[in-house]
Amino acid sequence: NAGVTQTPKFQVLKTGQSMTLQCAQDMNHEYMSWYRQDPGMGLRLIHYSVGAGITDQGEVPNGYNVSRSTTEDFPLRLLSAAPSQTSVYFCASSPRATGSTEAFFGQGTRLTVV
Amino acid sequence: AQRVTQPEKLLSVFKGAPVELKCNYSYSGSPELFWYVQYSRQRLQLLLRHISRESIKGFTADLNKGETSFHLKKPFAQEEDSAMYYCALSVFNTDKLIFGTGTRLQVFP
Repeated sequence: NAGVTQTPKFQVLKTGQSMTLQCAQDMNHEYMSWYRQDPGMGLRLIHYSVGAGITDQGEVPNGYNVSRSTTEDFPLRLLSAAPSQTSVYFCASSPRATGSTEAFFGQGTRLTVV
Repeated sequence: AQRVTQPEKLLSVFKGAPVELKCNYSYSGSPELFWYVQYSRQRLQLLLRHISRESIKGFTADLNKGETSFHLKKPFAQEEDSAMYYCALSVFNTDKLIFGTGTRLQVFP
């Protein structure tokens, strides 16, 4: 029962490098989202998707791109990494976008940009 | 604007003591509120939701619309309750879940 799977778990990047954080879910959830977790700031929404082919910006979208070509996958792309993007990234999915449904989280990706 | 405030970054108690983690929200509509917990080296997971009015692991939370609060309470803390706790607000019709900044609970033996 995999749930939400994120890869990689850890990554170190040099400033200016690009990379993609992968997120996959096997629960056929329509809604997926990306958060970053920083000390003292909680979880902040980066981008989200309400279904395949539909994405929208969250609270802190700058520097990140997303796409949703399938229901299962929701990759997060950093086009040109900056030290300010050092953070722990969480992907989440839920069967409905809002309401009293549970969000399921991945185990997180710890990213360091040097 | 929608906002979730958790005023305490850290709450330290001894085993057996009562615990109250504070959460206040700002939202013009009818709120749907949650508590999520992250144990050490584990993923974030749902602890409870206000609409269920349930008690999970001895924790309860009551929505107080007059005070716009959703405080998490437990009468007798256990060491295994040590974790990071996040209060979250589901914003109707915007597909967003807004989190507070989190409170780290430390329960000492």
